[in-house]
Amino acid sequence: AQTVTQSQPEMSVQEAETVTLSCTYDTSESDYYLFWYKQPPSRQMILVIRQEAYKQQNATENRFSVNFQKAAKSFSLKISDSQLGDAAMYFCAYKGGSEKLVFGKGMKLTVNP
Amino acid sequence: SQTIHQWPATLVQPVGSPLSLECTVEGTSNPNLYWYRQAAGRGLQLLFYSVGIGQISSEVPQNLSASRPQDRQFILSSKKLLLSDSGFYLCAWSPSNTEAFFGQGTRLTVV
Repeated sequence: AQTVTQSQPEMSVQEAETVTLSCTYDTSESDYYLFWYKQPPSRQMILVIRQEAYKQQNATENRFSVNFQKAAKSFSLKISDSQLGDAAMYFCAYKGGSEKLVFGKGMKLTVNP
Repeated sequence: SQTIHQWPATLVQPVGSPLSLECTVEGTSNPNLYWYRQAAGRGLQLLFYSVGIGQISSEVPQNLSASRPQDRQFILSSKKLLLSDSGFYLCAWSPSNTEAFFGQGTRLTVV
């Protein structure tokens, strides 16, 4: 069964600094999708970034980028120029061929002014 | 454009009462549908997912069940609620091979 692990339950970063959130996953599939979602206090789930496993190029969305290491089954999220609005819970997620979407336990990010 | 509706937003139910949470999607056909539960400050636990009418995969059978009576409707049910069923329930939909989109969630308190 596919599993997603986020080993850091909490992190903090200074405003304008860079922070990296780690995620590892376990799968025997070769084609799959990985996602990072953000959940602010409103509890609305917001997609931050998506990575297709068949693409070697790391995905980037403005200040958000990923480091996708397929062989190591690692998928970290880098937030550059952190802003107060980035404070939230962040979830790493995996979706394979069965369309089952599995999430990690999440990580609480605090941004200090 | 596609939208997802989930209701109610909050619900307080006594122990032993039944439960029915409904989720509908507009603007798409044959979506994948998901039910998750989230305890306070915790991760999303996948309860059920469905890739089509009559196809429901159960991840946490326990006290809950799910049904998909129509292509874009997904219902989470319980015959008798337990205190441990309290939590935040999220419905989501996705096209194939891409990300999921979430509803606003239902905060369920069992008293």
